[in-house]
Amino acid sequence: GQNIDQPTEMTATEGAIVQINCTYQTSGFNGLFWYQQHAGEAPTFLSYNVLDGLEEKGRFSSFLSRSKGYSYLLLKELQMKDSASYLCASMDSNYQLIWGAGTKLIIKP
Amino acid sequence: GAGVSQSPSNKVTEKGKDVELRCDPISGHTALYWYRQSLGQGLEFLIYFQGNSAPDKSGLPSDRFSAERTGGSVSTLTIQRTQQEDSAVYLCASSQAREETQYFGPGTRLLVL
Repeated sequence: GQNIDQPTEMTATEGAIVQINCTYQTSGFNGLFWYQQHAGEAPTFLSYNVLDGLEEKGRFSSFLSRSKGYSYLLLKELQMKDSASYLCASMDSNYQLIWGAGTKLIIKP
Repeated sequence: GAGVSQSPSNKVTEKGKDVELRCDPISGHTALYWYRQSLGQGLEFLIYFQGNSAPDKSGLPSDRFSAERTGGSVSTLTIQRTQQEDSAVYLCASSQAREETQYFGPGTRLLVL
Protein backbone atom coordinates (compact mmCIF):
# COMPACT_ATOMS: atom_id res chain seq x y z
CA GLY A 1 0.00 0.00 0.00
CA GLN A 2 0.92 3.64 -0.15
CA ASN A 3 1.98 5.37 3.02
CA ILE A 4 3.44 8.67 4.17
CA ASP A 5 4.74 9.04 7.72
CA GLN A 6 5.63 12.26 9.48
CA PRO A 7 5.58 13.27 13.15
CA THR A 8 2.27 14.57 14.45
CA GLU A 9 3.64 17.53 16.35
CA MET A 10 6.96 19.28 17.01
CA THR A 11 7.93 22.21 19.21
CA ALA A 12 10.83 24.58 18.60
CA THR A 13 12.10 27.92 19.84
CA GLU A 14 12.03 31.20 17.95
CA GLY A 15 15.36 31.77 16.19
CA ALA A 16 16.32 28.09 16.26
CA ILE A 17 16.44 25.40 13.56
CA VAL A 18 13.98 22.53 13.16
CA GLN A 19 13.97 19.49 10.89
CA ILE A 20 10.69 17.80 9.96
CA ASN A 21 11.12 14.27 8.65
CA CYS A 22 8.96 12.38 6.19
CA THR A 23 9.19 8.79 4.98
CA TYR A 24 7.19 7.58 2.03
CA GLN A 25 6.17 4.40 0.29
CA THR A 26 4.30 4.93 -2.96
CA SER A 27 3.63 3.01 -6.14
CA GLY A 28 6.26 4.66 -8.28
CA PHE A 29 7.72 8.08 -7.56
CA ASN A 30 7.52 11.38 -9.40
CA GLY A 31 8.67 13.76 -6.72
CA LEU A 32 8.18 14.87 -3.13
CA PHE A 33 6.29 18.03 -2.20
CA TRP A 34 6.16 20.06 1.00
CA TYR A 35 3.30 22.42 1.74
CA GLN A 36 2.68 24.79 4.63
CA GLN A 37 -0.82 25.12 6.07
CA HIS A 38 -1.73 27.73 8.65
CA ALA A 39 -4.76 26.92 10.80
CA GLY A 40 -7.97 27.51 8.89
CA GLU A 41 -6.19 28.26 5.65
CA ALA A 42 -5.34 26.44 2.43
CA PRO A 43 -2.04 24.61 1.94
CA THR A 44 0.61 26.70 0.18
CA PHE A 45 3.46 25.21 -1.84
CA LEU A 46 6.93 25.27 -0.27
CA SER A 47 9.20 22.92 -2.20
CA TYR A 48 9.54 20.09 -4.69
CA ASN A 49 12.34 17.48 -4.86
CA VAL A 50 12.68 14.78 -7.50
CA LEU A 51 16.45 14.29 -7.45
CA ASP A 52 18.53 13.28 -4.43
CA GLY A 53 20.03 16.12 -2.47
CA LEU A 54 19.29 19.40 -0.81
CA GLU A 55 17.27 22.24 -2.32
CA GLU A 56 17.65 25.56 -0.51
CA LYS A 57 15.13 28.36 -0.70
CA GLY A 58 15.79 31.16 1.74
CA ARG A 59 15.19 30.02 5.32
CA PHE A 60 13.66 26.77 4.11
CA SER A 61 15.52 23.78 2.66
CA SER A 62 14.25 20.38 1.57
CA PHE A 63 16.23 17.15 1.24
CA LEU A 64 15.44 13.94 -0.60
CA SER A 65 16.93 10.45 -0.55
CA ARG A 66 15.09 8.28 -3.06
CA SER A 67 16.92 5.11 -2.07
CA LYS A 68 15.77 5.55 1.53
CA GLY A 69 12.28 6.85 0.76
CA TYR A 70 13.06 9.80 2.99
CA SER A 71 12.76 13.55 2.93
CA TYR A 72 13.11 16.35 5.41
CA LEU A 73 12.16 20.00 5.57
CA LEU A 74 14.66 22.22 7.38
CA LEU A 75 13.51 25.56 8.74
CA LYS A 76 16.18 28.01 9.93
CA GLU A 77 15.93 31.20 12.01
CA LEU A 78 12.46 30.25 13.10
CA GLN A 79 9.87 32.99 13.37
CA MET A 80 6.54 32.93 15.18
CA LYS A 81 4.76 33.07 11.82
CA ASP A 82 6.28 29.65 10.99
CA SER A 83 3.81 28.09 13.44
CA ALA A 84 1.72 25.96 11.08
CA SER A 85 1.21 22.42 9.85
CA TYR A 86 3.70 21.11 7.31
CA LEU A 87 2.37 18.56 4.84
CA CYS A 88 4.54 16.05 3.03
CA ALA A 89 3.18 14.53 -0.19
CA SER A 90 4.66 12.00 -2.60
CA MET A 91 3.60 11.91 -6.25
CA ASP A 92 3.08 8.33 -7.41
CA SER A 93 3.44 6.77 -10.86
CA ASN A 94 -0.03 8.06 -11.85
CA TYR A 95 0.99 11.59 -10.83
CA GLN A 96 -1.42 11.41 -7.91
CA LEU A 97 -0.31 13.09 -4.68
CA ILE A 98 -0.34 10.85 -1.61
CA TRP A 99 -0.49 13.02 1.50
CA GLY A 100 0.83 12.63 5.01
CA ALA A 101 -1.34 13.76 7.93
CA GLY A 102 0.88 16.78 8.51
CA THR A 103 3.25 17.89 11.26
CA LYS A 104 1.98 20.64 13.52
CA LEU A 105 4.93 22.92 14.34
CA ILE A 106 4.64 25.02 17.49
CA ILE A 107 7.10 27.89 17.87
CA LYS A 108 7.76 29.19 21.38
CA PRO A 109 9.33 32.57 22.14
CA GLY B 1 -8.37 36.25 -10.42
CA ALA B 2 -4.83 35.37 -9.53
CA GLY B 3 -5.57 32.29 -7.46
CA VAL B 4 -8.03 29.46 -7.01
CA SER B 5 -11.34 30.62 -5.59
CA GLN B 6 -14.01 28.58 -3.86
CA SER B 7 -17.52 29.29 -2.69
CA PRO B 8 -19.14 29.29 -0.27
CA SER B 9 -16.41 29.66 2.33
CA ASN B 10 -18.66 28.10 4.95
CA LYS B 11 -21.78 25.97 4.64
CA VAL B 12 -24.03 24.65 7.38
CA THR B 13 -26.69 22.21 6.30
CA GLU B 14 -29.07 19.69 7.78
CA LYS B 15 -28.56 15.97 7.43
CA GLY B 16 -30.24 14.68 4.29
CA LYS B 17 -29.98 17.93 2.31
CA ASP B 18 -27.96 18.31 -0.88
CA VAL B 19 -25.07 20.78 -1.13
CA GLU B 20 -23.11 22.24 -4.05
CA LEU B 21 -19.56 23.51 -3.69
CA ARG B 22 -17.94 25.60 -6.38
CA CYS B 23 -14.33 25.93 -7.52
CA ASP B 24 -12.88 28.44 -9.96
CA PRO B 25 -9.32 27.37 -10.92
CA ILE B 26 -6.38 29.50 -11.97
CA SER B 27 -6.87 30.65 -15.55
CA GLY B 28 -5.08 28.35 -17.99
CA HIS B 29 -4.75 25.45 -15.57
CA THR B 30 -6.02 22.30 -17.24
CA ALA B 31 -5.90 20.04 -14.18
CA LEU B 32 -8.37 20.43 -11.30
CA TYR B 33 -8.59 18.40 -8.11
CA TRP B 34 -11.01 18.06 -5.20
CA TYR B 35 -9.80 16.96 -1.77
CA ARG B 36 -11.42 16.52 1.60
CA GLN B 37 -9.65 17.31 4.87
CA SER B 38 -11.09 16.26 8.18
CA LEU B 39 -9.86 17.86 11.40
CA GLY B 40 -6.27 16.85 12.07
CA GLN B 41 -6.13 14.59 9.05
CA GLY B 42 -4.24 14.60 5.79
CA LEU B 43 -5.81 15.44 2.48
CA GLU B 44 -8.09 12.78 1.02
CA PHE B 45 -8.22 12.75 -2.78
CA LEU B 46 -11.75 12.82 -4.20
CA ILE B 47 -11.70 13.49 -7.95
CA TYR B 48 -9.42 14.82 -10.71
CA PHE B 49 -10.24 16.54 -14.01
CA GLN B 50 -7.77 16.95 -16.88
CA GLY B 51 -8.95 19.04 -19.81
CA ASN B 52 -11.78 17.32 -21.65
CA SER B 53 -10.77 13.80 -20.59
CA ALA B 54 -12.98 11.59 -18.45
CA PRO B 55 -12.41 12.46 -14.78
CA ASP B 56 -10.62 10.19 -12.33
CA LYS B 57 -13.38 9.49 -9.78
CA SER B 58 -11.46 6.82 -7.87
CA GLY B 59 -11.45 8.81 -4.62
CA LEU B 60 -15.16 9.53 -4.32
CA PRO B 61 -16.29 7.85 -1.08
CA SER B 62 -19.83 6.99 -2.20
CA ASP B 63 -22.32 7.53 -5.01
CA ARG B 64 -23.72 10.48 -3.05
CA PHE B 65 -20.69 12.44 -4.26
CA SER B 66 -20.40 13.72 -7.82
CA ALA B 67 -18.58 16.49 -9.60
CA GLU B 68 -18.56 18.16 -12.95
CA ARG B 69 -16.39 20.64 -14.73
CA THR B 70 -18.06 22.80 -17.31
CA GLY B 71 -16.12 24.21 -20.25
CA GLY B 72 -12.85 23.01 -18.79
CA SER B 73 -12.91 25.71 -16.12
CA VAL B 74 -15.32 26.01 -13.18
CA SER B 75 -16.09 22.84 -11.23
CA THR B 76 -18.95 21.93 -8.92
CA LEU B 77 -18.81 19.21 -6.28
CA THR B 78 -22.26 17.96 -5.26
CA ILE B 79 -22.99 15.95 -2.15
CA GLN B 80 -26.48 14.44 -2.05
CA ARG B 81 -28.33 13.43 1.10
CA THR B 82 -25.55 14.76 3.33
CA GLN B 83 -24.48 12.82 6.40
CA GLN B 84 -22.75 14.08 9.54
CA GLU B 85 -19.56 12.27 8.52
CA ASP B 86 -19.42 14.50 5.43
CA SER B 87 -18.49 17.42 7.70
CA ALA B 88 -15.00 18.50 6.65
CA VAL B 89 -13.10 21.13 4.70
CA TYR B 90 -13.39 20.60 0.96
CA LEU B 91 -10.35 21.90 -0.89
CA CYS B 92 -9.97 22.51 -4.60
CA ALA B 93 -6.61 22.75 -6.33
CA SER B 94 -5.47 23.35 -9.89
CA SER B 95 -2.24 22.85 -11.82
CA GLN B 96 -0.94 23.49 -15.33
CA ALA B 97 -0.66 19.75 -15.86
CA ARG B 98 -0.99 16.66 -13.68
CA GLU B 99 2.73 16.44 -12.94
CA GLU B 100 2.99 20.11 -12.01
CA THR B 101 2.62 21.83 -8.64
CA GLN B 102 -0.93 22.10 -7.32
CA TYR B 103 -2.24 25.42 -6.01
CA PHE B 104 -5.07 25.39 -3.53
CA GLY B 105 -8.15 27.48 -2.97
CA PRO B 106 -9.21 28.63 0.52
CA GLY B 107 -11.63 25.72 0.93
CA THR B 108 -15.28 25.32 1.89
CA ARG B 109 -15.94 24.36 5.50
CA LEU B 110 -18.99 22.09 5.50
CA LEU B 111 -20.88 21.32 8.68
CA VAL B 112 -23.73 18.83 8.55
CA LEU B 113 -26.00 19.00 11.57
